Amino acid sequence: GQSLEQPSEVTAVEGAIVQINCTYQTSGFYGLSWYQQHDGGAPTFLSYNALDGLEETGRFSSFLSRSDSYGYLLLQELQMKDSASYFCAVEGTGGYNKLIFGAGTRLAVHP
Amino acid sequence: KAGVTQTPRYLIKTRGQQVTLSCSPISGHRSVSWYQQTPGQGLQFLFEYFSETQRNKGNFPGRFSGRQFSNSRSEMNVSTLELGDSALYLCASRNDRAGETQYFGPGTRLLVL
Repeated sequence: GQSLEQPSEVTAVEGAIVQINCTYQTSGFYGLSWYQQHDGGAPTFLSYNALDGLEETGRFSSFLSRSDSYGYLLLQELQMKDSASYFCAVEGTGGYNKLIFGAGTRLAVHP
Repeated sequence: KAGVTQTPRYLIKTRGQQVTLSCSPISGHRSVSWYQQTPGQGLQFLFEYFSETQRNKGNFPGRFSGRQFSNSRSEMNVSTLELGDSALYLCASRNDRAGETQYFGPGTRLLVL
């Protein structure tokens, strides 16, 4: 089976940097994705890692290490609007177009 | 390009009833996936359709079904509603290539009383 684990909550202050980790157990997958979801909203794509290493998209970066079964999302220069839930997800090779999501990390950014 | 649209946005039903939810994908996207989101179970994959065929299915009972039309619009149906079916139902569309981003619609929030 496939499972992803991430912390349930993270708190940080404006302007800071926060890292949200995601560890997974899966037999194989195309890549690791990150989604942001504000309360009452839909998940919005943030970043995708098909290969090991760091992907940078503005203030957000994502990292993947397949050998360590580990990835993370790095958010820099935190803003109040970054307060949301963040989900890691994998698309398994056994189920094309089927995303398996972690339980989500609720990020609270304080002034 | 217009995003993924879902109708209705909110729905209240009673136990035993059935419900049909609709999803219109981004123009040109032929793959539509459906997810259920609840506080207890998180985001769970229901099924995926491509070219009017169901290609993948999650671990949900047969009361949950779907279909896709030739214009890629998709519907999902839940029969004999149970209280536990109260959830946010999300559909996502994408181009049919591994690693392509899935774009989510705003969801339909279903409340079963």
